[in-house]
Amino acid sequence: DTGVSQDPRHKITKRGQNVTFRCDPISEHNRLYWYRQTLGQGPEFLTYFQNEAQLEKSRLLSDRFSAERPKGSFSTLEIQRTEQGDSAMYLCASRRRTGGSGANVLTFGAGSRLTVL
Amino acid sequence: DAKTTQPNSMESNEEEPVHLPCNHSTISGTDYIHWYRQLPSQGPEYVIHGLTSNVNNRMASLAIAEDRKSSTLILHRATLRDAAVYYCIVLQGAQKLVFGQGTRLTINP
Repeated sequence: DTGVSQDPRHKITKRGQNVTFRCDPISEHNRLYWYRQTLGQGPEFLTYFQNEAQLEKSRLLSDRFSAERPKGSFSTLEIQRTEQGDSAMYLCASRRRTGGSGANVLTFGAGSRLTVL
Repeated sequence: DAKTTQPNSMESNEEEPVHLPCNHSTISGTDYIHWYRQLPSQGPEYVIHGLTSNVNNRMASLAIAEDRKSSTLILHRATLRDAAVYYCIVLQGAQKLVFGQGTRLTINP
């Protein structure tokens, strides 16, 4: 179990540029989640995948945001035409397939911090 | 998702027990109670979860009120490494965790 890996850990970009974050989940985990966290707030749900299927998207995920998980393994989160309000920590988490909501135990990565100048 | 209410911050001393409260008055019978914590500059980390009975693991204990409208996370002997933001989450059969603002726990040496 090597944990959930996120890359890059830090990204500084200028407003209007596109950025892409990558998440490598724990290998046997079939569910993958993306969250966003701004300073002083709890993480906010963005979207989640079961294998390669994107099953839910938050209203926070505007049309500038797109997430993919093409082969049901790693995932990417792309933000187009970044805005200063996109500055946040982007967290990825994965979960093993088990039954019942009680077993919804997520393993989080350390996050990718985005700063938009 | 059921709303939870936690104190914004708490403070305790090293090697003393810590009781972190959470109110979840709108919880329904099949909703699980989860606790996560987030250390500085890290992603959230699972701590414990339960349904009705009190639960223990190597990290903490979870005491659930008989009416399930509140719960308490218990750290039996706090260390400086337990300083973190602790999140109480009620899971309504949903596929995702919905975080509130949590309780920022400070541990004094």
